[in-house]
Amino acid sequence: NAGVTQTPKFRVLKTGQSMTLLCAQDMNHEYMYWYRQDPGMGLRLIHYSVGEGTTAKGEVPDGYNVSRLKKQNFLLGLESAAPSQTSVYFCASSPLVEQYFGPGTRLTVT
Amino acid sequence: SQKIEQNSEALNIQEGKTATLTCNYTNYSPAYLQWYRQDPGRGPVFLLLIRENEKEKRKERLKVTFDTTLKQSLFHITASQPADSATYLCALDNDMRFGAGTRLTVKP
Repeated sequence: NAGVTQTPKFRVLKTGQSMTLLCAQDMNHEYMYWYRQDPGMGLRLIHYSVGEGTTAKGEVPDGYNVSRLKKQNFLLGLESAAPSQTSVYFCASSPLVEQYFGPGTRLTVT
Repeated sequence: SQKIEQNSEALNIQEGKTATLTCNYTNYSPAYLQWYRQDPGRGPVFLLLIRENEKEKRKERLKVTFDTTLKQSLFHITASQPADSATYLCALDNDMRFGAGTRLTVKP
């Protein structure tokens, strides 16, 4: 039982490049979330999903897209990376209330 | 707009003492509030949830209170140990707004 896994763990992008972050959970949870964490800002919700095939915007969705084609996977895409998207990204899943977080992806955009 | 604040960025206490962390919120009435622990370089880990109709919740050395009149939750760690050193985050129900966290250091 791996819980929540995130791929990759680290990535460096140049401005304008695109990439996809993958989140996978093996707990059969309905809800999945993507957050970014910046120093002094705490966790901020980017997008979330309440079930397979559904997505919704969070607090800071601009510049990101998501997809939930399978219940166990939640993908976060950056179409044209900007230095302001340098951050640590966390994925989480939840059966209803408490959230289970992945180990995070550290992304640097130069 | 909703706002959630944790009282201080850092709290240093001596081993064996009780640590008390504060979470305040405004412009919102959450149905419940959650507390998480985060160690450096890792994702947050769920600790406790308290509902609006509960005044207090306990789990081993942890205690959480919820005062909906004051719009405040207090998180206590009794008989603190160096292993309790971490950042503690509060979050408002399923709106999932997190506070910036309080970094607790327990000194031996």
